[in-house]
Amino acid sequence: QKEVEQDPGPLSVPEGAIVSLNCTYSNSAFQYFMWYRQYSRKGPELLMYTYSSGNKEDGRFTAQVDKSSKYISLFIRDSQPSDSATYLCAMSADSGAGSYQLTFGKGTKLSVIP
Amino acid sequence: ETGVTQTPRHLVMGMTNKKSLKCEQHLGHNAMYWYKQSAKKPLELMFVYNFKEQTENNSVPSRFSPECPNSSHLFLHLHTLQPEDSALYLCASSPTPAGDEQYFGPGTRLTVT
Repeated sequence: QKEVEQDPGPLSVPEGAIVSLNCTYSNSAFQYFMWYRQYSRKGPELLMYTYSSGNKEDGRFTAQVDKSSKYISLFIRDSQPSDSATYLCAMSADSGAGSYQLTFGKGTKLSVIP
Repeated sequence: ETGVTQTPRHLVMGMTNKKSLKCEQHLGHNAMYWYKQSAKKPLELMFVYNFKEQTENNSVPSRFSPECPNSSHLFLHLHTLQPEDSALYLCASSPTPAGDEQYFGPGTRLTVT
């Protein structure tokens, strides 16, 4: 079983739809949870991060973490064509060497159709 | 320049060449990272530097050699690469070694012929 599972999509939605992106994980030591957005030919851009179970909201984006189920989600409200990108989940645990290693999902490619 | 910059953006090299990738962060961060991104695979962490000291080497072949002369600059020296090393190489930095907030550069698209 891979440490982080993420449906690669592609996911295509009409403009204005609510988008739900999900990741599951197996390592209960993960402490920080992040979502990155990556546009074509660009590096990943940090969207949101959290370290506790529950919801965190930032504008049209809501990150949700359920540590008991080992499940994280990113919701995008009122999706826009500019949200079309690949979304990567990432999570980190203490690697025991004074630093935390990020483990990424494969990414979900999202297209928002005008 | 702001954020994390990488040069060159594109590189084509033969298997016998030696080249270097450069990364510079303008964020005052203390940790820097090299990642490899291949199609249909998750991002793979290669090296971690905290306060200029290498703290992680994720079983990366010796044909990849990192160098961190100071907390703002990171290099990846390449020699005798293989075609399967073709990928997007990403540099990232974070404020602390906790690595929970990592900021990425645009990457270098490497093609090995």
